[in-house]
Amino acid sequence: GAGVSQSPRYKVAKRGQDVALRCDPISGHVSLFWYQQALGQGPEFLTYFQNEAQLDKSGLPSDRFFAERPEGSVSTLKIQRTQQEDSAVYLCASSLVGRTMRPQHFGDGTRLSIL
Amino acid sequence: GESVGLHLPTLSVQEGDNSIINCAYSNSASDYFIWYKQESGKGPQFIIDIRSNMDKRQGQRVTVLLNKTVKHLSLQIAATQPGDSAVYFCAENEGKLIFGQGTELSVKP
Repeated sequence: GAGVSQSPRYKVAKRGQDVALRCDPISGHVSLFWYQQALGQGPEFLTYFQNEAQLDKSGLPSDRFFAERPEGSVSTLKIQRTQQEDSAVYLCASSLVGRTMRPQHFGDGTRLSIL
Repeated sequence: GESVGLHLPTLSVQEGDNSIINCAYSNSASDYFIWYKQESGKGPQFIIDIRSNMDKRQGQRVTVLLNKTVKHLSLQIAATQPGDSAVYFCAENEGKLIFGQGTELSVKP
């Protein structure tokens, strides 16, 4: 497809389990971003990749959150030992070049529910 | 700290009327802004962007105005349609996007 693709669309896990969320950016997009969106709120930045390099992870809430993009295309956001407060929609976005002056295009997100 | 906020959390308009959604930002050094539309269960959809060297930019049925003096953005939607019903976010792009809380637009037929 032409847009950003995320999978799974929904994920339910028990507290303490590990989860992995996948993002396929738009082909050729150098920059990739992860955001977390709580119900009724705007998305909040988690981390940023330029190609395979993770250049900014200042938004990751704890060391339980880990993201990778080993070949500069597909990215995975992993959350270890999930907690109830991790329940949210996780959005991935990509942009053509660089971080500024370019719109970021979003996928439809993964809705994560921790029981 | 940095923040982008919206003046009105909800807006209800009649189909065919024009809609205006407002946004205030706090970082006077910000030089790029984006408006997104988010429908239920979907990701934010790019509508229009504007750089700080511009005061106005027009798209199809939408216009964004930027007033740097008072750090204010607005999104104008002409001839609002039921399909425009969604939550609208302005975002400040400083490498990462900084979103406001959002305004829910409801269009009455």
